Amino acid sequence: DSGVTQTPKHLITATGQRVTLRCSPRSGDLSVYWYQQSLDQGLQFLIQYYNGEERAKGNILERFSAQQFPDLHSELNLSSLELGDSALYFCASSVGVTGGDETQYFGPGTRLLVL
Amino acid sequence: AQSVTQPDIHITVSEGASLELRCNYSYGATPYLFWYVQSPGQGLQLLLKYFSGDTLVQGIKGFEAEFKRSQSSFNLRKPSVHWSDAAEYFCAVARGSNDYKLSFGAGTTVTVRA
Repeated sequence: DSGVTQTPKHLITATGQRVTLRCSPRSGDLSVYWYQQSLDQGLQFLIQYYNGEERAKGNILERFSAQQFPDLHSELNLSSLELGDSALYFCASSVGVTGGDETQYFGPGTRLLVL
Repeated sequence: AQSVTQPDIHITVSEGASLELRCNYSYGATPYLFWYVQSPGQGLQLLLKYFSGDTLVQGIKGFEAEFKRSQSSFNLRKPSVHWSDAAEYFCAVARGSNDYKLSFGAGTTVTVRA
């Protein structure tokens, strides 16, 4: 158990819909990362938040957005869903202190199926 | 462009035999290097990491990895494989210097035969 929790574990929805994935980082971690794992693209970095602020952006679609709240949990919002958005979405957290150990610990993931 | 290459898509190994998984990266400086393991239907578990110092690092479950700067490699090894090591293994790299987002290789699936 990494200490990172993600809900829900599974999500089935229809094209055009909007969903929210939730992540709670390990206690004390300030950084949260989101990754997408799909069969055709592999594991890809989407976005990073640090202490409530966006820190880095990767291959995240404009239909996707994220935020980190004052209690440090994060949400990834996926809208206008398409079949190709079906994937496993991981959240990871790290301490986030400059010069510190930036090892990322991953949650169990949310499996999204868009029908 | 930065990239992480795991040349072997699938490896089959007998239980008790040794295992080596290859990882090559293309980054300008010495990056931060990681190996993660993913069992079917599970999340990613950290096996080991290299930031600096001794180039041979020990991890959990009897795994080790060696950083070779001259070859831009970070290969993962285990002397004697157990059936429970069957999983998918990912090499990951972060640039460092305030850039810690991970770039992953495509993964190597390990099958262990009795």
